[in-house]
This record gives sequence, structure tokens and C-alpha cells, in this order.
Amino acid sequence: DAGITQSPRYKITETGRQVTLMCHQTWSHSYMFWYRQDLGHGLRLIYYSAAADITDKGEVPDGYVVSRSKTENFPLTLESATRSQTSVYFCASSGGQPPLYEQYFGPGTRLTVT
Amino acid sequence: LAKTTQPISMDSYEGQEVNITCSHNNIATNDYITWYQQFPSQGPRFIIQGYKTKVTNEVASLFIPADRKSSTLSLPRVSLSDTAVYYCLVVANRDDKIIFGKGTRLHILP
Repeated sequence: DAGITQSPRYKITETGRQVTLMCHQTWSHSYMFWYRQDLGHGLRLIYYSAAADITDKGEVPDGYVVSRSKTENFPLTLESATRSQTSVYFCASSGGQPPLYEQYFGPGTRLTVT
Repeated sequence: LAKTTQPISMDSYEGQEVNITCSHNNIATNDYITWYQQFPSQGPRFIIQGYKTKVTNEVASLFIPADRKSSTLSLPRVSLSDTAVYYCLVVANRDDKIIFGKGTRLHILP
């Protein structure tokens, strides 16, 4: 199916474990983003990527690692999960040039760290 | 990135016009005003973007006064399905990322 997908949709992991959230888009958009959303904090940008092999930090990058070897994929890895990383994670992509671009969001991954 | 201020929450009734105002006092010349909508358990969705005066699409209208220090998102004749969080963002010409605030939680009552 075309669009932007995230997997898994739900994940429960233990403190200290490494976990990777996947994001895939079929539009060949150059920009991709990872956000987390917690109650009371709205959406916060973790990392973003302007193109393959180009990534940059957002507001809350600590504890996360990203890579972008292919334009269509942008995985987010929690190297050693902590309870504070329990959240809903959204991936987004954008194909236009700033400032007239729209971001298209995936359905989200609900991550629980026990 | 220019900071925005918008009400935390609003209530309205079905069939009413809803106006959500956003303040962005330090908006720069090259900044654009953008609004997103987020339904429960979904990712945000782009609604509308404008630079000055008025922009209208099939979902909403965006009013921007001459000084551009504020903007108003107008939703005509809302229904229960318009219950969502609405985010006001200011996006600079040079920016390749956008920062979401906490948005306005709009609750439509029957």
C-alpha cells in the first residue's frame, strides 16, 4: 500500500533492552521525521533527516539513534530503553521545500517500557 | 523558530463557527503560519498554511492581519467529528523542521 507505515504498532519492552521502530514511506519524500507524544507535552521532535545519509537532532534526541541508508526507510532505535521513553512515536515524511511543505504522519507506534 | 501561543482548550457546539486564535509576536518576514489537526490515536494532519490576509480551503479558513502577529483558524459549522487538537505553527523559510507546541484541544458538544 502507498503511504507511510510504521511497525510495530504496539510494543512492550523491558528496561535496558534495545528496540527499533520502523518507518517506511512510498512517496520518495526527501524529508523524514520522528516525534514522540506524551500526555501534557504535545509532539516533540526527536530526529529528522533531509535526505538519505543526512540526519540531524531535534528537541529530544538523547537515548535515540537514527539512520537513513535508503530514502524510504527511517528506523529509530532506542539503545537502552528507559521507562521515560514510554510514549507514542510518530514518523512523518515531507517532499516539498520549506516553507510550503506538508508533513504526512504515520499511524504511530505505542511503546511501553516496563 | 518563532514561538506561538494558543488556548489550551475550547468547547463549542455542533453547527457553530469556531475560531481559534494563535499569537506569534516574534514572527519573521519569511515565516509562514501553518495549522495541523490531530484526532485521537492518529498522527497530525496538515490543514492550512498562509502568509498574509486570508486563505481558504475545503476544511478551514485562515485569517492573518497585516502585522502578522496573530492568526485565526476558522472552522465553519463544526460537527462532533471536528473534536481534535489543533496546532498552530510558524515555519521559517529556511527551516527544514517544524516544532509542535501543545495545541488547542477543541471539544465539540452536541
